[in-house]
Amino acid sequence: GDQVEQSPSALSLHEGTDSALRCNFTTTMRSVQWFRQNSRGSLISLFYLASGTKENGRLKSAFDSKERRYSTLHIRDAQLEDSGTYFCAAEAGGGSGNKLIFGTGTLLSVKP
Amino acid sequence: EAAVTQSPRSKVAVTGGKVTLSCHQTNNHDYMYWYRQDTGHGLRLIHYSYVADSTEKGDIPDGYKASRPSQENFSLILELASLSQTAVYFCASSEKGTGNERLFFGHGTKLSVL
Repeated sequence: GDQVEQSPSALSLHEGTDSALRCNFTTTMRSVQWFRQNSRGSLISLFYLASGTKENGRLKSAFDSKERRYSTLHIRDAQLEDSGTYFCAAEAGGGSGNKLIFGTGTLLSVKP
Repeated sequence: EAAVTQSPRSKVAVTGGKVTLSCHQTNNHDYMYWYRQDTGHGLRLIHYSYVADSTEKGDIPDGYKASRPSQENFSLILELASLSQTAVYFCASSEKGTGNERLFFGHGTKLSVL
């Protein structure tokens, strides 16, 4: 079936550095969402994209508008509170019943 | 901000027992979902609903039933709980067709089946 592949599976950053997470899709996707899961287990919505890019503070996400087969999440000037597990989820649309397919997550640790 | 409330926050159940997880949203969203998360994994869709009194099967519906008695409420029912259903369960809601179809999650229910 349709797959969402996230990379890297784990990432360690020092405060103040920049990095990027990526999701690849095995088929064309209609939209993508990014979430952060904190240490208490809560899932927080970061972005919803049907195309293009969105930015919110130090976070910026992009969705490949041509083939619609990958998305990225850029973290600028990483802070301790950015630590958590980041999930992307994509919607195939068409006959998929509008269901989201989740990646397996990137565990991000930001250190002083 | 959107609000999705789940109850209970955690539950211990015995194998073969019946478990009901409840979800309430005040977002006026049409779509509601039940996902399960297993340790170290992403979320998998169990059931979803896009209108009251109707539910749809997700990717892993076996062993689960769902009920949507109203737009605000969506329940997940385990008629005969099994060990393999130990997981964290998340309810979510979203609005479709608006161009901003973000998924809003509840805090999750940690279910342990013994």
